[in-house]
Amino acid sequence: SQKIEQNSEALNIQEGKTATLTCNYTNYSPAYLQWYRQDPGRGPVFLLLIRENEKEKRKERLKVTFDTTLKQSLFHITASQPADSATYLCAQYSSASKIIFGSGTRLSIRP
Amino acid sequence: NAGVTQTPKFRVLKTGQSMTLLCAQDMNHEYMYWYRQDPGMGLRLIHYSVGEGTTAKGEVPDGYNVSRLKKQNFLLGLESAAPSQTSVYFCASSRQGSNQPQHFGDGTRLSIL
Repeated sequence: SQKIEQNSEALNIQEGKTATLTCNYTNYSPAYLQWYRQDPGRGPVFLLLIRENEKEKRKERLKVTFDTTLKQSLFHITASQPADSATYLCAQYSSASKIIFGSGTRLSIRP
Repeated sequence: NAGVTQTPKFRVLKTGQSMTLLCAQDMNHEYMYWYRQDPGMGLRLIHYSVGEGTTAKGEVPDGYNVSRLKKQNFLLGLESAAPSQTSVYFCASSRQGSNQPQHFGDGTRLSIL
């Protein structure tokens, strides 16, 4: 069955540094990977989608890469700020209508 | 636009009681989903719907029923609540297609005593 794993439960970094979060998938090569942000007490919010034929996607301070050989996506936040502290989820569609989410990485940015 | 609205936001039930969680979306989305989120388990799909009048089972459907009588509403029912159903429940909607982002409500926090 398809699995999607986020290696770190939690990541703590200093403000201003680049945060890098990892998402690995197995048993299936998704055409797309999505990244979401979830704040405490709120639902996930969509951030970025990357297609399998895109090596890299950027949006402001966010960058996502997609390596189909390693079956891995990396999510980077450059010049991190305390306001970036949240849980970040990666996700892939397991069929045309169903999506599988990773369990998330809780990112904390300390001033 | 409100997006996806879930009611209620909080609820405490006793074991064996039944209840219905309501999800409403105003984006004219075809697809709607119910998830539960437990610590360390991530989001798990309970049931989903690809259109008005249609529903399908997800990963953890036992103990739940759903209905989608109107396109904008998706109801989740707990037939006989059990402590194992204590969780945070999220509803989401999306356009049709396998690259579409999902739009989430802010969840219903349900405790079963």
